[in-house]
Amino acid sequence: KAGVTQTPRYLIKTRGQQVTLSCSPISGHRSVSWYQQTPGQGLQFLFEYFSETQRNKGNFPGRFSGRQFSNSRSEMNVSTLELGDSALYLCASSFQRDEQFFGPGTRLTVL
Amino acid sequence: KNQVEQSPQSLIILEGKNCTLQCNYTVSPFSNLRWYKQDTGRGPVSLTIMTFSENTKSNGRYTATLDADTKQSSLHITASQLSDSASYICVVSALGNAGNMLTFGGGTRLMVKP
Repeated sequence: KAGVTQTPRYLIKTRGQQVTLSCSPISGHRSVSWYQQTPGQGLQFLFEYFSETQRNKGNFPGRFSGRQFSNSRSEMNVSTLELGDSALYLCASSFQRDEQFFGPGTRLTVL
Repeated sequence: KNQVEQSPQSLIILEGKNCTLQCNYTVSPFSNLRWYKQDTGRGPVSLTIMTFSENTKSNGRYTATLDADTKQSSLHITASQLSDSASYICVVSALGNAGNMLTFGGGTRLMVKP
């Protein structure tokens, strides 16, 4: 069974641009969660999608948004990038409400 | 407010030695507690999961304990290896109307030296 995949793995953007990250969950998993990880803040929960609906949301500004498609694949979008958005963005999938399996992450650098 | 505190923040040990990482939480209502290992630049990988009724769970050289009364958990690593160098993250799940609500600890960064 293939694991969680995230694309791209690395990304460099400049301030003010926008970016879209993609996550393909493990086959059969319907829940996808997104996290931001920075050295100073650790793992911060962004949002969770289940069956194309946002089920939970963390404390991030509206510049961070996401969606989930009917095949459970999910995208995360960050608009008007700021330097502080530089981080490792992790996606995790789970079947329903159980163990989360993490992808390798997308390393975003904002210059 | 749900919180998970991990200690120490970082730890350096010699190869072959044992170590214990700590996790204190104030999460309610408690569902389960997981320990994850995260290698640099990679996503976290689950080591153990413990529910309210479990005191100890082992996964090879990793042994997790849970004291639900004091709301404390520990991860003991036996006979450390260089490959154990990683961050270890404690994650506590609370039951919520819309599914499990996760609270992450800040992690303990372990370095094993030869």
